[in-house]
Amino acid sequence: DTAVSQTPKYLVTQMGNDKSIKCEQNLGHDTMYWYKQDSKKFLKIMFSYNNKELIINETVPNRFSPKSPDKAHLNLHINSLELGDSAVYFCASSQGTSGILYEQYFGPGTRLTVT
Amino acid sequence: QQPVQSPQAVILREGEDAVINCSSSKALYSVHWYRQKHGEAPVFLMILLKGGEQKGHDKISASFNEKKQQSSLYLTASQLSYSGTYFCGTAESSARQLTFGSGTQLTVLP
Repeated sequence: DTAVSQTPKYLVTQMGNDKSIKCEQNLGHDTMYWYKQDSKKFLKIMFSYNNKELIINETVPNRFSPKSPDKAHLNLHINSLELGDSAVYFCASSQGTSGILYEQYFGPGTRLTVT
Repeated sequence: QQPVQSPQAVILREGEDAVINCSSSKALYSVHWYRQKHGEAPVFLMILLKGGEQKGHDKISASFNEKKQQSSLYLTASQLSYSGTYFCGTAESSARQLTFGSGTQLTVLP
């Protein structure tokens, strides 16, 4: 029944490691997003994909690489993790090609802690 | 540029009303409102579009002043379940993504 799911929910790792977060939506939406929410709760978009095509790539370090194998899945791979990467990462999805016209459905989030 | 939300925090008793404001320095096309409870994901409340179209939950009301680039979310007869952080997300017509404000923390006490 879960609309947007993410795994894992918690991720604790050391600096320098590589990790991945997976996201799946069963809403039939065309567009998926990755957001980062920092300790001050500031929610900032990182990437957006529409039908497997990258349409938004904010100023995110190259260490972050999204991949969309199909329109229901959007994964986030992070290389060489740094302390500043610690945050909650949310996946979201929406109808259409533009995230400004339709409501976004968020996944439960992945809390990443880099030590 | 990030929209500005006010107040940053508000505490009220059950049954009281609250207004949360969101303003931008840019000409807006769309304003979204989301509520996030502690440790949970943001949940959609409402979209307001330039021209007057609104989509959202029946029990939530909001306004969008296109001339002033401001939106307000009205919470009436608040319930304990209204507690959480409220975010507005804004976009100009040329944008393809939302820019979120820093949030307003609402606490409803019994």
